[in-house]
Amino acid sequence: GAVVSQHPSWVICKSGTSVKIECRSLDFQATTMFWYRQFPKQSLMLMATSNEGSKATYEQGVEKDKFLINHASLTLSTLTVTSAHPEDSSFYICSARPPRGGQHNEQFFGPGTRLTVL
Amino acid sequence: AQSVTQLDSQVPVFEEAPVELRCNYSSSVSVYLFWYVQYPNQGLQLLLKYLSGSTLVKSINGFEAEFNKSQTSFHLRKPSVHISDTAEYFCAVSVYGGATNKLIFGTGTLLAVQP
Repeated sequence: GAVVSQHPSWVICKSGTSVKIECRSLDFQATTMFWYRQFPKQSLMLMATSNEGSKATYEQGVEKDKFLINHASLTLSTLTVTSAHPEDSSFYICSARPPRGGQHNEQFFGPGTRLTVL
Repeated sequence: AQSVTQLDSQVPVFEEAPVELRCNYSSSVSVYLFWYVQYPNQGLQLLLKYLSGSTLVKSINGFEAEFNKSQTSFHLRKPSVHISDTAEYFCAVSVYGGATNKLIFGTGTLLAVQP
């Protein structure tokens, strides 16, 4: 149980284009999803917290208009990187927390999406 | 604010040798502690966690970690490593009952098991 998927697993795009990454909780409902960014050989940095049916809460320094997050259902959150540039190239990882996992703050992670912007 | 320190960026070790990956945290309130493992080009997998109760927690693949409140540590150990244990290991903390409910990660330790 507690499986989280991401699609696509990797994507290459041209500079200036937008890319959408999907995060799905396959066997549980996730009221909260998180989006992380990981640079090579570095730790995960939380970008934003996404709550179903409400606006995402962004961490300091993360551009809201650059990284659009939508959490339209209890099993799906999307991250859209708008007007992507080479510096946006990174490994993007999502996680989901089931309602009953809230007390323990347990999160289940997706396999990640490798974004390369040329 | 909470923080996590993993002093060792890389730990080389020979197969079948014991290993300890260090993790120290800073927090003014009670925390939950986690160890995650990340294999190349993959997401994170939960290895083990401390929520409450016994301070020694174990995983199914031989790893264990001990919560030491006085030393604010949660070191990860394995008595005999395998080649397949080669991966990046992240220590993380979250706040109990806190409004933020966020995971704070350490910088990670690469465990490199050599034959």
